[in-house]
Amino acid sequence: KAGVTQTPRYLIKTRGQQVTLSCSPISGHRSVSWYQQTPGQGLQFLFEYFSETQRNKGNFPGRFSGRQFSNSRSEMNVSTLELGDSALYLCASSPGTGNLPQHFGDGTRLSIL
Amino acid sequence: KNEVEQSPQNLTAQEGEFITINCSYSVGISALHWLQQHPGGGIVSLFMLSSGKKKHGRLIATINIQEKHSSLHITASHPRDSAVYICAVAEYGNKLVFGAGTILRVKS
Repeated sequence: KAGVTQTPRYLIKTRGQQVTLSCSPISGHRSVSWYQQTPGQGLQFLFEYFSETQRNKGNFPGRFSGRQFSNSRSEMNVSTLELGDSALYLCASSPGTGNLPQHFGDGTRLSIL
Repeated sequence: KNEVEQSPQNLTAQEGEFITINCSYSVGISALHWLQQHPGGGIVSLFMLSSGKKKHGRLIATINIQEKHSSLHITASHPRDSAVYICAVAEYGNKLVFGAGTILRVKS
């Protein structure tokens, strides 16, 4: 069974640009969560999608948005990029939204110049 | 005060030693997760607990809901156990709040 796939693995952008990251969950998993990891703040929850609906949201500005498609694949978009958005962005999938183990992708490393 | 506190922040052990990493949290939770992160970023879920104790190979995780405390134990540690171990709590659903992590180095 294929794991969680995130694309691209690495990305370099400049301030003011926007970026879209993609996450394909494990087959059959309907919940996708997104996390940001930085050296200063550690791991922080961005949002969770289940059945194409945002179920939970973390404390991030509106520049961070996401969506989920009918096949459970999810995208995350960051607009008007700032230097502080440089981070490892991880997604994780699970079968549902209850207390279930999450399966993480390898992440997308985003660098803002 | 952070909602999730881990100790120690750094830990160096000799191969074969018994290791304990602690996690305390201040909020009501529905579940607690222990995660392992190797250099390069990939995260592996080790355990999800809502009560009691779980064991997988040389790893044991325990949780005391009343005391809001969990421990991760590694028996007979090995250099391949070197990684960052992260405690995360779920207040509800899959919304996780993470500890800062414990950097473990096991020397041969």
